Amino acid sequence: DTEVTQTPKHLVMGMTNKKSLKCEQHMGHRAMYWYKQKAKKPPELMFVYSYEKLSINESVPSRFSPECPNSSLLNLHLHALQPEDSALYLCASSHWTSGRPREQYFGPGTRLTVT
Amino acid sequence: QQQVKQSPQSLIVQKGGISIINCAYENTAFDYFPWYQQFPGKGPALLIAIRPDVSEKKEGRFTISFNKSAKQFSLHIMDSQPGDSATYFCAASRVNSGYALNFGKGTSLLVTP
Repeated sequence: DTEVTQTPKHLVMGMTNKKSLKCEQHMGHRAMYWYKQKAKKPPELMFVYSYEKLSINESVPSRFSPECPNSSLLNLHLHALQPEDSALYLCASSHWTSGRPREQYFGPGTRLTVT
Repeated sequence: QQQVKQSPQSLIVQKGGISIINCAYENTAFDYFPWYQQFPGKGPALLIAIRPDVSEKKEGRFTISFNKSAKQFSLHIMDSQPGDSATYFCAASRVNSGYALNFGKGTSLLVTP
């Protein structure tokens, strides 16, 4: 099973709201990723977690706050977003250990609209 | 700065034809090259991937050709079908960047009946 699940599928929020995106995988992967994808553009990396610790933050504004409570779950907390943050937010996971397969699997994404 | 350059931006192929998408990279530290297929409103789905010690990899109708000296790789879709109509992204990653994927800009493929 190579499934990564994300909830919710769609989210509309105002600029003063606080919301969270959730991601889950049960493939035993120890690396999890958040990507942001604007329309007709490729996914852009936001964060990488390895063994539940933040490994990479691609200079993402602090209004995006990631959290990895355990090896299967990844959250993205949203606060005071701007309309230009509207996008498809993708979660992905992969193995992390050298010698293991490098395949990275994506979830279906959360379509976020900031009004 | 786009680390992986992809062409063409769009492609129209007749059913049964061969679709060819090309990618080029500059960073020789890249050591893993996957291709993803994405349908509208869906997440990218891994199609096929290759490492630089292999020149070609085939899975069903999909083949990756890899030219390490030219720093280029390509996806060939044989016997293209209307159901293959989607956006295709090439990508590259390296170990010391957390395996994060650097994507090409994507190719919108339309297979006509």
